[in-house]
Amino acid sequence: GESVGLHLPTLSVQEGDNSIINCAYSNSASDYFIWYKQESGKGPQFIIDIRSNMDKRQGQRVTVLLNKTVKHLSLQIAATQPGDSAVYFCAGVPLNYGGSQGNLIFGKGTKLSVKP
Amino acid sequence: SAVISQKPSRDICQRGTSLTIQCQVDSQVTMMFWYRQQPGQSLTLIATANQGSEATYESGFVIDKFPISRPNLTFSTLTVSNMSPEDSSIYLCSVIGSEAFFGQGTRLTVV
Repeated sequence: GESVGLHLPTLSVQEGDNSIINCAYSNSASDYFIWYKQESGKGPQFIIDIRSNMDKRQGQRVTVLLNKTVKHLSLQIAATQPGDSAVYFCAGVPLNYGGSQGNLIFGKGTKLSVKP
Repeated sequence: SAVISQKPSRDICQRGTSLTIQCQVDSQVTMMFWYRQQPGQSLTLIATANQGSEATYESGFVIDKFPISRPNLTFSTLTVSNMSPEDSSIYLCSVIGSEAFFGQGTRLTVV
């Protein structure tokens, strides 16, 4: 079955540095991946997504890379700020769910701490 | 974007009792989803709630324990029945718009 997991549970970076959060998935039959940010006491918030026909997608200060060969995706945050401190989850959508984002399979999460 | 109001935001309940969590959306949506997030863990899908039909439960979750209502396209409830301390979690509802939106969550503590 599908499982999505993260390599590191915690990541501490200096303000202004770039952050890289990694995620591995086990089932290649996923069409769509999403990164979420969850701040304490709040629900997950969408950051960026990528479809399996892409290997890179850029947003504002964030870039997602997808390597289907090794079943790995990463979230890169440029010039990390204290407001970026949160738990970050990757999530995958299995193909057999017809692409509905509701049937998300979440990874374990990485806690990002930004040191001023 | 969709605005989701979820309540209560938190509750402390006695074991053996039940709690109903409400989720109100500011627009009509076909599918609503309920997730559980156990302490320090990721999110796990409990069930998918479609208006006018029975909810579809994921493996490990049953209707008797987590009954769901979906009376219209803007509202859903999840009940956590006969609670035990193992049910202490954050419960979140989610809807699909241009992306998946989540409520703020209900932090449940069972004592």
